[in-house]
Amino acid sequence: EDKVVQSPLSLVVHEGDTVTLNCSYEVTNFRSLLWYKQEKKAPTFLFMLTSSGIEKKSGRLSSILDKKELSSILNITATQTGDSAIYLCAVEEGAQKLVFGQGTRLTINP
Amino acid sequence: DVKVTQSSRYLVKRTGEKVFLECVQDMDHENMFWYRQDPGLGLRLIYFSYDVKMKEKGDIPEGYSVSREKKERFSLILESASTNQTSMYLCASSLPFWSNQPQHFGDGTRLSIL
Repeated sequence: EDKVVQSPLSLVVHEGDTVTLNCSYEVTNFRSLLWYKQEKKAPTFLFMLTSSGIEKKSGRLSSILDKKELSSILNITATQTGDSAIYLCAVEEGAQKLVFGQGTRLTINP
Repeated sequence: DVKVTQSSRYLVKRTGEKVFLECVQDMDHENMFWYRQDPGLGLRLIYFSYDVKMKEKGDIPEGYSVSREKKERFSLILESASTNQTSMYLCASSLPFWSNQPQHFGDGTRLSIL
C-alpha cells in the first residue's frame, strides 16, 4: 500500500528560528513529490520536485528530494508568524493520483 | 490565477439525507478530484475524473458517487449521509499529468452530519 509519512506532526518554534519538515514515502510508481501550505482555506502549492538532489527555492522556503532515501525536506529560514500553517506533503503516484501525508502543523510564536 | 470554487463553506445535514457538494473551476482543466480531510489522516482521495462523463474511484469511494456533466463542474454526492461522513471536503483540478503542473484546491466545505 502506498504511504507518505510526515514528521514531526506538530512543531512550535519562535519567530526567527529555522525549521526543517520531513516527508518520507513508499509508492509503487513515483512521478513527483509536492509540498502545499494550508492555512484556514485551500492548500496552496509550494513546490513540485521530480529530480533528486536539486534544491528548489522560493524566498525563505526551500525543498529538496532524495530519491535514494525516498524522502524530502522542506526548510523555512527566519520564520515569521505568517508561516504558521499545516504543511502537506504529497506524492504523485501514476497518472496524477496524489497520496498525502498526515501534515505537519507548524506554529510560530512571536 | 486558477480559481476552484466550492459552493458552500459550511453545511449541516441530517443522517439519511442525500447531499450534493458542488465544485467549479475556471481554467478549462481536464482533471478534477474530490478529497476528504480528517485530523491525523491527511487528505484521502474519494473520486476523480479525467474528462466529462468519466469517473474513477479513489481510495475511499464507499458511500459516495460523483457526476461530471460539464468540463468545469464536478459534483460529489452522498447518497444517504451518515455521521462518519462528517468531514472537510476539498475539490481540486489540474491539467493532464504530462503537463507536470500541480493540482489546485478550492477552499473546502466543512460538512456536519447530525
